[in-house]
Amino acid sequence: NAGVTQTPKFQVLKTGQSMTLQCAQDMNHEYMSWYRQDPGMGLRLIHYSVGAGITDQGEVPNGYNVSRSTTEDFPLRLLSAAPSQTSVYFCASSPDLARNEKLFFGSGTQLSVL
Amino acid sequence: DAKTTQPTSMDCAEGRAANLPCNHSTISGNEYVYWYRQIHSQGPQYIIHGLKNNETNEMASLIITEDRKSSTLILPHATLRDTAVYYCIVLTGANSKLTFGKGITLSVRP
Repeated sequence: NAGVTQTPKFQVLKTGQSMTLQCAQDMNHEYMSWYRQDPGMGLRLIHYSVGAGITDQGEVPNGYNVSRSTTEDFPLRLLSAAPSQTSVYFCASSPDLARNEKLFFGSGTQLSVL
Repeated sequence: DAKTTQPTSMDCAEGRAANLPCNHSTISGNEYVYWYRQIHSQGPQYIIHGLKNNETNEMASLIITEDRKSSTLILPHATLRDTAVYYCIVLTGANSKLTFGKGITLSVRP
């Protein structure tokens, strides 16, 4: 298993540009989520999904959209990037967080918005 | 979910036990205590979790007080590779929102 795969690893955007951060997992996990981490800070939850077709907001959802059309993929869309979205983004998955299963994290995407 | 309080940082000598404390005085009966760690800029890594009994796995031991208001993560023989930020989180999985605080930075010195 490759685990949780995030692409790209690095990205530079200009203010106002749009892009999609990709996240895929090959472990047949129902639960997937996106976090952002700013320098010196802990991780903050952006959006999460408990299964295909179901998404919900986390702590900091503004400026981000998600969809979950398949179990494997959970892309994060920035519709109009802003400098405040400069951060490291982590995707995570779990077999079933509601049953206290652990989270598996990807290696992160470092995003800079100029 | 209950809030947790951790010291900002601590250090220990290589080969010694590292005892990382966490306070969660408002924990409710169905909330689990989880520990994750983040080495440098990598994605966080699960370490261990428990409800009320002490737990041990190949990475660490988790000691939860009888009143469940605090816990301690024990790395029995710390190595330089254990230098990381350690996050203590309490959660009921049904909430589906695992949120991280700032954690405690553990520095293992040679």
